[in-house]
Amino acid sequence: TQLLEQSPQFLSIQEGENLTVYCNSSSVFSSLQWYRQEPGEGPVLLVTVVTGGEVKKLKRLTFQFGDARKDSSLHITAAQPGDTGLYLCAGVILSGSNYKLTFGKGTLLTVNP
Amino acid sequence: GAGVSQSPSNKVTEKGKDVELRCDPISGHTALYWYRQSLGQGLEFLIYFQGNSAPDKSGLPSDRFSAERTGGSVSTLTIQRTQQEDSAVYLCASSSRRRSRNLSSTDTQYFGPGTRLTVL
Repeated sequence: TQLLEQSPQFLSIQEGENLTVYCNSSSVFSSLQWYRQEPGEGPVLLVTVVTGGEVKKLKRLTFQFGDARKDSSLHITAAQPGDTGLYLCAGVILSGSNYKLTFGKGTLLTVNP
Repeated sequence: GAGVSQSPSNKVTEKGKDVELRCDPISGHTALYWYRQSLGQGLEFLIYFQGNSAPDKSGLPSDRFSAERTGGSVSTLTIQRTQQEDSAVYLCASSSRRRSRNLSSTDTQYFGPGTRLTVL
């Protein structure tokens, strides 16, 4: 059972367009992270959202954590070819003193020039 | 400074053979994680080492998978009697996280480039 559902799975858009990627779960997370992964490399952390309703901005990227801490979204404004990559959301699970991430399957974004 | 490194970058093996994958974490990082990334499956947690504590092996898919971390630094993931379904990219990550019961604490995991394993 996939704890985190990401949508869409694939997205191909033209440079300059806006897009939103969604990450949904029936579980509550301590926090949620967004990563970007390029071919042949490991994921790189973009942002961590902790508080329900929190909004964080990273240049043209806006991240939002749902009020109930079960879902999140990533909005990119005026996408550029350099934004191309696999975007992964990951929910943080704290069990006792252990810390684990559970990942969604990712959204593969292609921005065409 | 140097990031997380993994070796080999690519490994092709025959079904039934054993393989060892190596991870060198960032110096000083106490936590080390192994994940598996398969097409269409996302990242799957395998095992987690934290300092000198017993590892969390809850994600290992079968007893053919094992991992160790020597001296609190380098880690080796071993897959015995490989099967075709073991083909995937194996990613290692490390963090400076220390054991804490602080439920609001966050952590940054730094990932290596992965080892692409192909079982023929």
